[in-house]
Amino acid sequence: GAGVSQTPSNKVTEKGKYVELRCDPISGHTALYWYRQSLGQGPEFLIYFQGTGAADDSGLPNDRFFAVRPEGSVSTLKIQRTERGDSAVYLCASSLLGGGTSDPDTQYFGPGTRLTVL
Amino acid sequence: DAKTTQPPSMDCAEGRAANLPCNHSTISGNEYVYWYRQIHSQGPQYIIHGLKNNETNEMASLIITEDRKSSTLILPHATLRDTAVYYCIVRVGNSGNTPLVFGKGTRLSVIA
Repeated sequence: GAGVSQTPSNKVTEKGKYVELRCDPISGHTALYWYRQSLGQGPEFLIYFQGTGAADDSGLPNDRFFAVRPEGSVSTLKIQRTERGDSAVYLCASSLLGGGTSDPDTQYFGPGTRLTVL
Repeated sequence: DAKTTQPPSMDCAEGRAANLPCNHSTISGNEYVYWYRQIHSQGPQYIIHGLKNNETNEMASLIITEDRKSSTLILPHATLRDTAVYYCIVRVGNSGNTPLVFGKGTRLSVIA
């Protein structure tokens, strides 16, 4: 079946601009995660949705970043007043289960969006 | 911070077994060991996970020591397509979904 998809695959923007990154999770997956990966580093957690609500947004670096998932499926990561330091690959993952299980569910990742802020 | 320690890089000859070590000496009783890999320019890919017992699937085997302080991921017959960064992650179970905390992983190079 279809995996996690992310659009666009690449985004180049200028410092100070606003950007939106989209994630389409695997159909039926209730949990959705956003991560950010800088060059040479492992992915870093940003925010996690369970259904429509943000269950954990502790990884968002500042208030320029926020994300929504209004219908519990597609999610959009929004970055205001972009800075050069925001340049990274933004990864989305989804998982089937919503917690409450002794065996944590497996996260499946999309290919990422490479954001470049000039 | 990641709760695991992995060598930064390893080489393996094509067709041979690749054994990737991971130390997680502070692992708690309710934490699972997960392995993901990331091929260049792709998102991380789930490989395998375990709690106490050794596990095997179509991709790899996971050997966890009896004290659970370390583990080894085994790719039994490495191919060039297995060249990737391999991440060992510990993650709490029984508490709902939790984010993955990635370290820098091990860069495995499979050589023809």
